[in-house]
Amino acid sequence: KNEVEQSPQNLTAQEGEFITINCSYSVGISALHWLQQHPGGGIVSLFMLSSGKKKHGRLIATINIQEKHSSLHITASHPRDSAVYICAVRSSGNSGGSNYKLTFGKGTLLTVNP
Amino acid sequence: NAGVTQTPKFQVLKTGQSMTLQCAQDMNHEYMSWYRQDPGMGLRLIHYSVGAGITDQGEVPNGYNVSRSTTEDFPLRLLSAAPSQTSVYFCASSYSGFHNSPLHFGNGTRLTVT
Repeated sequence: KNEVEQSPQNLTAQEGEFITINCSYSVGISALHWLQQHPGGGIVSLFMLSSGKKKHGRLIATINIQEKHSSLHITASHPRDSAVYICAVRSSGNSGGSNYKLTFGKGTLLTVNP
Repeated sequence: NAGVTQTPKFQVLKTGQSMTLQCAQDMNHEYMSWYRQDPGMGLRLIHYSVGAGITDQGEVPNGYNVSRSTTEDFPLRLLSAAPSQTSVYFCASSYSGFHNSPLHFGNGTRLTVT
């Protein structure tokens, strides 16, 4: 079982809809990243958080450390939001080396139709 | 700032050939890493470095070598290419204060081994 599980795997929405993508993890973490990858494109960091909530434009990321769960929300979705959204966690393991390793979810493919 | 620069963007190799994927960053980041991305799987860490002269293995290091002679450069060497190494490769960097530093990714190298 992957340490990082994302849901849903695929999501299709109409322009303007509110989007939620979920990420659950099974290990203690020191940080969680949300990344965006457009088709055939590079990967961009959207958020990095270790507690609470962050907002950037129409994107909101929340994390509940006790429940080992994070959500990425997109308000007023737009076709340009169509991309793969990836959750990644940095474990809070005791080994110094493991502190630098990220474990990635398989991604959520979001398609926003006009 | 150019950010993280990866070359080449595309490469086709025959089984047994060797090659080097280049990665350079101009942000004075201590941490650099290589990932491979395969369909249906999350990004997987190949090797990483926390500073010049320091490298360590990730999740899938077999068949790959790295070195870090300068802060800026972190090349990935395929010693004897195999079809199983057909993948998209990403280089990423960040400040080593990982908790508060987002990852910066290169645009990727699409490698095909025939």
